[in-house]
Amino acid sequence: GENVEQHPSTLSVQEGDSAVIKCTYSDSASNYFPWYKQELGKGPQLIIDIRSNVGEKKDQRIAVTLNKTAKHFSLHITETQPEDSAVYFCAASLFSGSARQLTFGSGTQLTVLP
Amino acid sequence: GAVVSQHPSRVICKSGTSVKIECRSLDFQATTMFWYRQFPKQSLMLMATSNEGSKATYEQGVEKDKFLINHASLTLSTLTVTSAHPEDSSFYICSARDRLRGGNQPQHFGDGTRLSIL
Repeated sequence: GENVEQHPSTLSVQEGDSAVIKCTYSDSASNYFPWYKQELGKGPQLIIDIRSNVGEKKDQRIAVTLNKTAKHFSLHITETQPEDSAVYFCAASLFSGSARQLTFGSGTQLTVLP
Repeated sequence: GAVVSQHPSRVICKSGTSVKIECRSLDFQATTMFWYRQFPKQSLMLMATSNEGSKATYEQGVEKDKFLINHASLTLSTLTVTSAHPEDSSFYICSARDRLRGGNQPQHFGDGTRLSIL
């Protein structure tokens, strides 16, 4: 099955700086890669996703890059703000049985210091 | 955007009690819903995939008789933790996919249920 590794586990940045979170996946058949933000006591919220036919996608301060050859993808947050503080999860989607399942990375606790 | 409602948000009950958690898709139809379990400071672990009108598919190591899943309609799936014990205490989260959007449509998550068994 799919295995997703995520680094770093914790990340602290000063407000206004950029943050980068990296993930690698094992199964070359995976072709959909979402990123989720989870605030304390809440469920994950989709913030951006990328499909395997695209190398980069940007949405305002958030961007995701995908390197299919190396099987890794990254989340980039620019001009960080305190409200960006949360746990971020990457995931890879692989068709399994009757549905496409998500395999999650271990998460990154991002803290933006004011 | 797509909204998934999960209820209740928090449950505290005695050991031996059965607890039912509901997951509803509010503005879309979901043929497939997923149930996850999350321990503190850990990632989401898929427990089972719930398919409307058919039996759920459980992940290896998840007891079917312990975690009963019913997906009776296109907008509702329920997870019942039967005869709950303290080790079942956890954060349970559901997600759903919009059946009308083909291909790799995103999963939308509920806000989770914090289950505490005394």
